[in-house]
Amino acid sequence: SQQGEEDPQALSIQEGENATMNCSYKTSINNLQWYRQNSGRGLVHLILIRSNEREKHSGRLRVTLDTSKKSSSLLITASRAADTASYFCATDQGQKLVFGQGTRLTINP
Amino acid sequence: DAGVIQSPRHEVTEMGQEVTLRCKPISGHDYLFWYRQTMMRGLELLIYFNNNVPIDDSGMPEDRFSAKMPNASFSTLKIQPSEPRDSAVYFCASSRASIMMETQYFGPGTRLLVL
Repeated sequence: SQQGEEDPQALSIQEGENATMNCSYKTSINNLQWYRQNSGRGLVHLILIRSNEREKHSGRLRVTLDTSKKSSSLLITASRAADTASYFCATDQGQKLVFGQGTRLTINP
Repeated sequence: DAGVIQSPRHEVTEMGQEVTLRCKPISGHDYLFWYRQTMMRGLELLIYFNNNVPIDDSGMPEDRFSAKMPNASFSTLKIQPSEPRDSAVYFCASSRASIMMETQYFGPGTRLLVL
């Protein structure tokens, strides 16, 4: 099964609202990453949070990590139409990155 | 830098034909990864190389799939013979050794359709 599982599978909100996506994983990790994939494109690295960190910010992105619950969340504030994409969490497992199934985010104008 | 380059961007072929996908990683990157993405299975790691040497090919579906990296600037993923269930988007990604597990740079992908 996937190491990381995103929730919800799909999310549709109005432009300007905040979007929150969650990721759960099963085994211990050194770090957790979030990637974005626009339709028809490759994945783009957004942000990395290490296992000893609880929260990290990058522009309009805020990531939290709760290792006791084996979960992470990605918050996008003041969403824009350009944020429409799929978002994936990825965790290190051995010498590999294992990606979740992703959350499909749609920002409505 | 041009980023990771993949070719072709789209490939339509008939069952039984050989398919070759190509990748040029970012210059200076030591690691190269091949992924496959489908709706059913999501993003799967097929194989990765370190300094042109295959390290882990446990994700390669079966013997019909093979990958090579003859030099630091070129890799191929070959499917022979192709089958309809191989239809997917294939991504190549690269990374520097020091951050291999931290940031991977993805190419635009090759969308493969096997009829």
